[in-house]
Order: sequence, then structure tokens, then C-alpha cells
Amino acid sequence: DVKVTQSSRYLVKRTGEKVFLECVQDMDHENMFWYRQDPGLGLRLIYFSYDVKMKEKGDIPEGYSVSREKKERFSLILESASTNQTSMYLCASSLVFNSKNQSPQHFGDGTRLSIL
Amino acid sequence: SQQGEEDPQALSIQEGENATMNCSYKTSINNLQWYRQNSGRGLVHLILIRSNEREKHSGRLRVTLDTSKKSSSLLITASRAADTASYFCATAPSNDYKLSFGAGTTVTVRA
Repeated sequence: DVKVTQSSRYLVKRTGEKVFLECVQDMDHENMFWYRQDPGLGLRLIYFSYDVKMKEKGDIPEGYSVSREKKERFSLILESASTNQTSMYLCASSLVFNSKNQSPQHFGDGTRLSIL
Repeated sequence: SQQGEEDPQALSIQEGENATMNCSYKTSINNLQWYRQNSGRGLVHLILIRSNEREKHSGRLRVTLDTSKKSSSLLITASRAADTASYFCATAPSNDYKLSFGAGTTVTVRA
């Protein structure tokens, strides 16, 4: 069965800290995604990666960066955490992702991040 | 802004009843996907319907797509307590490849 694993379910950090969220998938998918989910706003795409060391900005990349050194691992970095980054963060992966075709995305269980 | 929007925002039904929720979107699409999210968990893919399809079934789920009205509906038949969850539609616009998610419909199935 497919599996996307996020390293932490809950995380509490302080304003100004550098925060790392880790995600690992075991499906050999090329494409990986980071979303944040806030009540009433649905999921918003932060960054995605279509290959190792390749990344592209999503809709809300400000204040975030990402790293994809290995195919199975995609990290989200909050450079200097702020209270407005308190949210649920969801990682996903998919097999196909291009302008002609998008296959289903497989999600991890999320990391609920609180910035104090 | 969100490409897809679900309606209603919340739905409460009795076990055994059917639940219907709708999704409207703004631009032409390649496909439309429905996902379920149980409380505190990630999203689980339910069904994908392509722009050239009108209806699709998967178990107790039935999805329709009307591209002329830019809308889709998800029907859950004979609902169970385990169907209690939030349901999201996600659209893949034909001029972009990023999925756009709506804010979701929260379904509560009462025993």
C-alpha cells in the first residue's frame, strides 16, 4: 500500500526559529507537494517538486523554502517562523503531474504546527 | 482565489440516507477529483473524472460532471457513520497543472 509519512504530527516552535518539516514517500513518485490547510481556505499549494533538486513555487511560497535531495524525501523549511504560519501542513506525492494529465495525489497525515 | 467551491459547507444526515454535495469551478479543466479527509488525518483520493466523462461510479460513490455548467456532484448512497468526514473537490485547470482545492463540505452521519 502507498505511504506518505510526515515526521511529526504536532510541532510547537517559537517565532523566529528555523523549522524543518520532513516528508518521505515509498512509491517512487517523481512529484511531491507541500500544502497548508486553514479553516475556510481549503488547501493552498506552497511548493512542489517534479524531480530531485527541482522545485517550483506554488500559490503561497513567501516565507518558505524546500529541499529535495533524494527522490523519496521532500522537506519544507520555514526560514524564520512567524505566528501567521501556524497551520496544518500536508505533504503529498503523485505519479503524473503535467499540463495534460494529473494522477491522484497521495497525502500524509499532516503536521499541525503552532508558532508561539 | 479558489477554483473549486463546494456546496453546502456542512451536511448532517441519518445513517442509511444519501448525501449529495456539489462543486462549482471557474475555468475549463482537464479533470476533477474528489477527496475525503477524516478528522485530524490527511486527504484520501476517492475518484477522478476526466473532462470528457459525464458520470463515474466507485462502490457507493457516484460522481457527475457537467462541463457546460462547470459543476460536479458527489453522491454517497446508503451512508454509514464511517462516512463522517470533510469532502473536497480539486480541479486541474486546462491552462495550468496545479490542483486547486475547495474549502470542503463537512458531512456528519448520525447513527
